[in-house]
Amino acid sequence: DADVTQTPRNRITKTGKRIMLECSQTKGHDRMYWYRQDPGLGLRLIYYSFDVKDINKGEISDGYSVSRQAQAKFSLSLESAIPNQTALYFCATSDLWGALNAEAFFGQGTRLTVV
Amino acid sequence: AQSVTQPDIHITVSEGASLELRCNYSYGATPYLFWYVQSPGQGLQLLLKYFSGDTLVQGIKGFEAEFKRSQSSFNLRKPSVHWSDAAEYFCAVGAGVSGGYNKLIFGAGTRLAVHP
Repeated sequence: DADVTQTPRNRITKTGKRIMLECSQTKGHDRMYWYRQDPGLGLRLIYYSFDVKDINKGEISDGYSVSRQAQAKFSLSLESAIPNQTALYFCATSDLWGALNAEAFFGQGTRLTVV
Repeated sequence: AQSVTQPDIHITVSEGASLELRCNYSYGATPYLFWYVQSPGQGLQLLLKYFSGDTLVQGIKGFEAEFKRSQSSFNLRKPSVHWSDAAEYFCAVGAGVSGGYNKLIFGAGTRLAVHP
């Protein structure tokens, strides 16, 4: 099984619909992250969480919300999807980010299309 | 503000040729630098990282990168490219807290194509 699992892997939704992307991890890490990837823009941080009670906005949080249901689960919601939220979304986890042996582990991504 | 620039959007090399992917960063303190690779349909995999010490770091799959503070660069190299190296490569800098980092800032990526 993958260390970081994202569901669904692909999703097409209509403008105005609410959609949730889910991420679960088996690494036992405290820190979890949501990024979106757009061609030519790389990965941009949407939200990040250092533990269940600590949620932080990233550089592009508008239009998104998150929920950290447990240490292992971090969900991203689009309350009212719009076409420019069409992108590839990645969840990542890490422990003690900043330590010399720290490494971020990424899920395989969720390709979201808003029509 | 911290930022990462990858000047080359696409690079094409022949199999067996050498490779250098460029990365420039903007960061006020000692940077924590990373290279990730994304194969088609896959997530990101860490190739190597630099925190301090020796400025030439070795990574997986035969890759290496050299940190040059004077040029604010962290270029990725491989002496002989294999067809399986075709992928997208991302440079990233750790940012967010003084003396460490709590998030990664990525460059736009460089897509590598390998000709047989």
